[in-house]
Amino acid sequence: AQSVTQPDIHITVSEGASLELRCNYSYGATPYLFWYVQSPGQGLQLLLKYFSGDTLVQGIKGFEAEFKRSQSSFNLRKPSVHWSDAAEYFCAVAPFDRASKIIFGSGTRLSIRP
Amino acid sequence: DGGITQSPKYLFRKEGQNVTLSCEQNLNHDAMYWYRQDPGQGLRLIYYSQIVNDFQKGDIAEGYSVSREKKESFPLTVTSAQKNPTAFYLCASSGTGGREAFFGQGTRLTVV
Repeated sequence: AQSVTQPDIHITVSEGASLELRCNYSYGATPYLFWYVQSPGQGLQLLLKYFSGDTLVQGIKGFEAEFKRSQSSFNLRKPSVHWSDAAEYFCAVAPFDRASKIIFGSGTRLSIRP
Repeated sequence: DGGITQSPKYLFRKEGQNVTLSCEQNLNHDAMYWYRQDPGQGLRLIYYSQIVNDFQKGDIAEGYSVSREKKESFPLTVTSAQKNPTAFYLCASSGTGGREAFFGQGTRLTVV
């Protein structure tokens, strides 16, 4: 069955420190891959997406993600976090088959230590 | 500007009443989705629709109903059969190209 796993429920990092949020997926072929961010009480905003080509993708707000086919992973990174990065982060996959639904991970809550 | 509009942002209802949440998009997207989010939890899919006049149940469809009479609109009705309706509801849409989902700002429903 198709699935997306975000193994870290909650992560706390110090402001200015680097960040890596993990995402693993289970699917027969490489799907579309996404990272979203959600501030409290708001909708989800797309940070970045991967369809094909360069496995390192750049997104908004200084985030990047690396697709590793051999590990079925799509980890999100940021070299230096800011207090405003505190939010919930969701990884998602969408199969190429249009009839299939988008699948979201359970999310990782990021807290920033001053 | 193109986007997804959910209304209202906050909604209060008495227990036993049906309530309909609005979701409208002007992105010309074929697919639309409804998700439920509870505190500290991820997104749970209620219903989705890939095309007008067609929709499929998601993981937690019981107690909910939808319609898709127009491409732009995908209203969600929370019925009295839903045992615990208080939650944050998110609507999304996606196109045929990139498949990324665009989200509305959500409706927080409180049933008292």
